Amino acid sequence: GQQLNQSPQSMFIQEGEDVSMNCTSSSIFNTWLWYKQDPGEGPVLLIALYKAGELTSNGRLTAQFGITRKDSFLNISASIPSDVGIYFCAGLEGTDKLIFGTGTRLQVFP
Amino acid sequence: DTAVSQTPKYLVTQMGNDKSIKCEQNLGHDTMYWYKQDSKKFLKIMFSYNNKELIINETVPNRFSPKSPDKAHLNLHINSLELGDSAVYFCASSHPVGANYGYTFGSGTRLTVV
Repeated sequence: GQQLNQSPQSMFIQEGEDVSMNCTSSSIFNTWLWYKQDPGEGPVLLIALYKAGELTSNGRLTAQFGITRKDSFLNISASIPSDVGIYFCAGLEGTDKLIFGTGTRLQVFP
Repeated sequence: DTAVSQTPKYLVTQMGNDKSIKCEQNLGHDTMYWYKQDSKKFLKIMFSYNNKELIINETVPNRFSPKSPDKAHLNLHINSLELGDSAVYFCASSHPVGANYGYTFGSGTRLTVV
């Protein structure tokens, strides 16, 4: 089945650094979502994007919906230890089905 | 108040057994889902139900049978469990597509088949 590729696969950064990750697809999506998963928990929605070119912020997080509708980017500024987790992008196929990316594991060192 | 709750959180069972996982949402959403997350953390959709009706069935073995008694509940029954069924299973629910679209996930059920 379809899969979204995320890069990098994992990141090890120091507290205070900015982080960038991206997600690419061979297909067009009309809605992109970014989720974070903490250990032992389900993914939690961070940001939703509904229009090509859209740039949306949620606190220290900023995400962009690529103009081609085949990619999306997530930036985290001034990282803190609680940013640790796995970040997933997801594209909406049809009206109900989310296709998830391969995930980016983020580790933040104090 | 937990929005999407799954039980049990952990399930360890022997090969060949039959087991069920329950899911309930109190968000008033019409659509519910089951996702499987493997050891590499890949999340893959298994089923979706809209208002008790099966909408998506993603080539899942027919040993897996979802059941939705009402739109707030979606249970997953698995027959003749196999080692490869070991994974974390997530239930989720969603608003209709629109400005508030996004899934809300439960905290998962870790199934270990031995």
